[in-house]
Amino acid sequence: QVQLQQSGPELVKPGASVKISCKASGYSFTSYYIHWVKQRPGQGLEWIGWIFPGSGNTKYNEKFKGKATLTADTSSSTAYMQLSSLTSEDSAVYFCARDTTVVASFDYWGQGTTLTVSS
Amino acid sequence: ENVLTQSPAIMSASPGEKVTMTCRASSSVSSSYLHWYQQKSGASPKLWIYSTSNLASGVPARFSGSGSGTSYSLTISSVEAEDAATYYCQQYSGYTFGGGTKLEIK
Repeated sequence: QVQLQQSGPELVKPGASVKISCKASGYSFTSYYIHWVKQRPGQGLEWIGWIFPGSGNTKYNEKFKGKATLTADTSSSTAYMQLSSLTSEDSAVYFCARDTTVVASFDYWGQGTTLTVSS
Repeated sequence: ENVLTQSPAIMSASPGEKVTMTCRASSSVSSSYLHWYQQKSGASPKLWIYSTSNLASGVPARFSGSGSGTSYSLTISSVEAEDAATYYCQQYSGYTFGGGTKLEIK
């Protein structure tokens, strides 16, 4: 069965960087886009960007250019998102999700990674 | 950017009631690329309805979706307690999400 397993919660100091992982299983990792989505406490969902592991191509929400960097390791079927120059505004739950590709809906989601930025 | 506006932001219904929530786009959306997600508190979102009217696997038949152009809706024919959640619409251009409709059960 398809699963996306994300890394655990992170507590990071302002100004630092963090790398969150999303390990895929149960399907061909290189054949589907992986998206990343941000959700601040009590708020809605915000799209960050996607990566296509088969090629390494990426696309970002303009708002997250320079903040987020998406990569993928096909040998371990793992997608990564690095967030840099962290501030309290980056404190949120971050989800990875698989794109169905055909109609661009997200059919499988990771469990979410909670990032807290605090000194 | 195609902005999706959901209404109402919060709604309350009694079990057995019929409820409808709407999603309006600032520009026309192809019905193939308008989707709905259900998110319960503390959990990941789940794909609920895809391409306007297709129920995702395991979604009860009391749910339905409709719409075209700039106006879409999600309807529950007879609400049950387990339907309490926040529902988000999403469209393909920029992968933007609506602000969500929180459904509370009385």
